[in-house]
Amino acid sequence: GESVGLHLPTLSVQEGDNSIINCAYSNSASDYFIWYKQESGKGPQFIIDIRSNMDKRQGQRVTVLLNKTVKHLSLQIAATQPGDSAVYFCAEVSPGWGKLQFGAGTQVVVTP
Amino acid sequence: DAMVIQNPRYQVTQFGKPVTLSCSQTLNHNVMYWYQQKSSQAPKLLFHYYDKDFNNEADTPDNFQSRRPNTSFCFLDIRSPGLGDAAMYLCATSRNPGTETYEQYFGPGTRLTVT
Repeated sequence: GESVGLHLPTLSVQEGDNSIINCAYSNSASDYFIWYKQESGKGPQFIIDIRSNMDKRQGQRVTVLLNKTVKHLSLQIAATQPGDSAVYFCAEVSPGWGKLQFGAGTQVVVTP
Repeated sequence: DAMVIQNPRYQVTQFGKPVTLSCSQTLNHNVMYWYQQKSSQAPKLLFHYYDKDFNNEADTPDNFQSRRPNTSFCFLDIRSPGLGDAAMYLCATSRNPGTETYEQYFGPGTRLTVT
């Protein structure tokens, strides 16, 4: 069968609270970043992206913050809902043909 | 709706028995990717096609091959599956990288079990 996987970092959030998911990226030359949401048994789903010439970008209930000085990315989810329970991956894109380098992922568990 | 479709969703094969996973897209994207994702891990890129141009990742085992007969379809062939190849296999597509976005559109995945 499949080899035993790692245990993902888990963020437990109460419904209605705000969630903050953090990600450290590795390549200072990366100029594009994406957050993906992956629900159990499904493929990753695009949430929001940000280019390196921006510090902040907002979507519907989500905000991405980029700190290039410390190579840190965060995803904020406002008023977290049960449907937000999933694994969240950040991905960085290095200059070139667009290869996504995924972070390790964070499991978000929303409790009632 | 335009989308990325993977068939089958679940595939069981025997150790050493060749298996083919399929992916099709209605997005008319130039680039198609195959990823392997093991439990509680991030997707790992195996290879990608830019149109008909095949690009293998350096650490992708020779046991994994791919075919792209046309824009819409891409196949992943595992010549002699081992127990360690049991995983979720994700197909993704994108437009010409960097033209507007680097977003990749993922299919639902095929869960491969090796017995």
